[in-house]
Parts: sequence; structure tokens; C-alpha cells
Amino acid sequence: EPEVTQTPSHQVTQMGQEVILRCVPISNHLYFYWYRQILGQKVEFLVSFYNNEISEKSEIFDDQFSVERPDGSNFTLKIRSTKLEDSAMYFCASRPTGAAYEQYFGPGTRLTVT
Amino acid sequence: QKEVEQNSGPLSVPEGAIASLNCTYSDRVSQSFFWYRQYSGKSPELIMSIYSNGDKEDGRFTAQLNKASQYVSLLIRDSQPSDSATYLCAVIGGGYQKVTFGTGTKLQVIP
Repeated sequence: EPEVTQTPSHQVTQMGQEVILRCVPISNHLYFYWYRQILGQKVEFLVSFYNNEISEKSEIFDDQFSVERPDGSNFTLKIRSTKLEDSAMYFCASRPTGAAYEQYFGPGTRLTVT
Repeated sequence: QKEVEQNSGPLSVPEGAIASLNCTYSDRVSQSFFWYRQYSGKSPELIMSIYSNGDKEDGRFTAQLNKASQYVSLLIRDSQPSDSATYLCAVIGGGYQKVTFGTGTKLQVIP
């Protein structure tokens, strides 16, 4: 069964450094998303992406965040200058076109900012 | 602020019993409703979706939706220890993009 994949599974970085989190959505899906989950808290929406542009973003997704689909398979989240409070699990999700709105999540990247 | 509310639990049920999980949401224009299961340290796994009022059954799982009351529930029949996890209620509003999650209900199935 096709699934969303994410790399790396764990990223440790120093405050102020840039990180890029990578995702490969399910191949016939055209809507892509990033969510984050701070330890012990709920899953929070960051951004949705369709047709090579952002379709919706949350107040969390400020200027230090960006997303890109650099080729036909990858979808990336860049954090330009990481802060301690960016430490969280970051989940990529995708869904197909059509009337079904089910989003399928990847395994996540645990980001630790020191 | 559009909210999805769940009782955090833990909800403890004996093996073989029915587990009942509840969720309310605040945005009246919400169109799509989902239940995800999340094991500790893992990502959310979609187990049910429901779009119209009434019941939807899939195996041991039944989702129930009442849009007038802004209420969604999940019943798990014949609960198994492997069902022990946190169950996340999730809602998509009128924009059809952003999923808003509840904080989740932790279910413990006691052998």
C-alpha cells in the first residue's frame, strides 16, 4: 500500500541554524500539508500546498517557514533560523483530488533544537 | 477560534467491551470529520471518515455524526488491547484544506 515517507526521522540542530525537512507524498496525490506536534500537545496545521502554491497557512507559519516542491516527488519544509520552540514532531500529509478529503500522514520527523 | 473538544481521558474499558469516544466542534460550517488513531511516538493513522449525518460502520468501528448538535463519536466494538492508543477527532471547515485536531482521548483496553 502506498504511503507518505519522510526524512530524516530525527534531526538535531542548533538554535539559529536552517533545517530542511523532506517528504515524499503518495504518488497520485496532489494536495500536500505540513503539521507539527509539540510533545504532549495536539497536532497543529502549518500549511497546505496545491498546484505549486500555498493554498492556506496558519499563524504559526511565519516568515521563517517556507515550503517547496522542488521536483515531481519531493515536498520540503524549510525553517530558516530555528528557535528552541520549534522543537516538535513535524508531519507531512497528502490527499488525492476528488470529493474525499482524507489526509494520510507520514511517520514524522522529530526536530530537536538545542 | 475554531475548536475541536475531546475528553482527554484516559478511558479504560475491559477487553471485549465497547469503547465510546466523543467529540464536539465549534465551527458550524464544518463539512468533513475524521477519526485518527495515534500510538505513542507515532504519526496519526486515519481510521474513519464521515461526511453526512448518521452512522458509518467499518469493521469494529462505527462513526456517528450529528451536525445539528455539532457532535461526532466513535464506537469501537470488541475492544482489543491493541486498540490502546490516543484517538484524535479531526474536522475540516469550509475551506476544505486545514484539518483542526482535538487534543485526543487516550483509550486503555484492559486485558
